[in-house]
Amino acid sequence: DTEVTQTPKHLVMGMTNKKSLKCEQHMGHRAMYWYKQKAKKPPELMFVYSYEKLSINESVPSRFSPECPNSSLLNLHLHALQPEDSALYLCASSQPGPGGATDTQYFGPGTRLTVL
Amino acid sequence: GENVEQHPSTLSVQEGDSAVIKCTYSDSASNYFPWYKQELGKGPQLIIDIRSNVGEKKDQRIAVTLNKTAKHFSLHITETQPEDSAVYFCAASYTGFQKLVFGTGTRLLVSP
Repeated sequence: DTEVTQTPKHLVMGMTNKKSLKCEQHMGHRAMYWYKQKAKKPPELMFVYSYEKLSINESVPSRFSPECPNSSLLNLHLHALQPEDSALYLCASSQPGPGGATDTQYFGPGTRLTVL
Repeated sequence: GENVEQHPSTLSVQEGDSAVIKCTYSDSASNYFPWYKQELGKGPQLIIDIRSNVGEKKDQRIAVTLNKTAKHFSLHITETQPEDSAVYFCAASYTGFQKLVFGTGTRLLVSP
């Protein structure tokens, strides 16, 4: 089973709202990722967690706050977002390779976020 | 810098034809090159990947070739079918622990 699940599928929020995106995998992977994908663009890496610790933050604004409560779950907390933050937010997971080498990443279906 | 170029941006073929998508990467240290297919409203799905210690890999109608010297890799789809229509992304690994940088994508349209 190579399934990554994400909830909700769609989210509409105002600029003053606080919301959270959730991601879950049961493949035993110990690396999890958040990507942002704008329309007709490739996914762009936001955060990487490895063994439940934040290992990469791609200079993402602080209005996006990631959290990895355990090895199966990944959250993205949203606060005071801007309309330009509207996008598809993708979660992925992988098994860390030897010496930190890249291994196959499996993506979830994404959460379509609209900020009004 | 971290850059992956992908061509063409759109590709239209007739059912049964072959399709080829090409990518170029910039970091000679890259050692992992996956290809993803993304259908409308869905997340990217891995279709094939290749590591730097091999030059070619096949899986039924799909093949990927890698030229490390030239920093090129390509996706080949034979006997295309309408259900192959989607956006295809190449990606390359970059130093910095499991970071993938994606190409700009190719919209493939297979007409019956």
